[in-house]
Amino acid sequence: GESVGLHLPTLSVQEGDNSIINCAYSNSASDYFIWYKQESGKGPQFIIDIRSNMDKRQGQRVTVLLNKTVKHLSLQIAATQPGDSAVYFCADRTPAQYNNNDMRFGAGTRLTVKP
Amino acid sequence: DVKVTQSSRYLVKRTGEKVFLECVQDMDHENMFWYRQDPGLGLRLIYFSYDVKMKEKGDIPEGYSVSREKKERFSLILESASTNQTSMYLCASSFGQGGTYEQYFGPGTRLTVT
Repeated sequence: GESVGLHLPTLSVQEGDNSIINCAYSNSASDYFIWYKQESGKGPQFIIDIRSNMDKRQGQRVTVLLNKTVKHLSLQIAATQPGDSAVYFCADRTPAQYNNNDMRFGAGTRLTVKP
Repeated sequence: DVKVTQSSRYLVKRTGEKVFLECVQDMDHENMFWYRQDPGLGLRLIYFSYDVKMKEKGDIPEGYSVSREKKERFSLILESASTNQTSMYLCASSFGQGGTYEQYFGPGTRLTVT
């Protein structure tokens, strides 16, 4: 079946640099996307979302870019800090999946910030 | 703030035991979910519920059942635990209306079946 996945399982960046985490999705009917952050020993936490009628959305130090042509999603973290070290998941929603509230998650990318 | 709590952070059970994992949310959310999380596989949906006494199978329901007798509580049951059910189990809830689909997660239960 179709799924959400990530290009790279791990990413290591220097503190203060910008981080870019990528995600590919395969279902062109996906209309809503979320990025989650999961710190060690905790459940995933919402970072930012974007709807398919948008190309870009910005939050505090984070930006999500959506390219529907190539079915690609990215999360950019500006001035990465040690507290950003975590596993990052993208998730997508396709209206036809079970009901309108089901999200599908990628495997995750582990971001490590080096001091 | 939404709070989703799970009954145990760590659990060790023996093969063949019946295991109950409890999840409670305090935000009157309609939808509740159970996932398991395994390295390299991400989150896989076991079951979800969109209303009291309603349940739907997810991607990997085999070996599991669920119960939702009250809106705030969603239980995952392993009828006869097996070693391949050793995993991290995550519960989530969502409001599911108004075009927002964000799921709020509990801290997880790490289950080991020996």
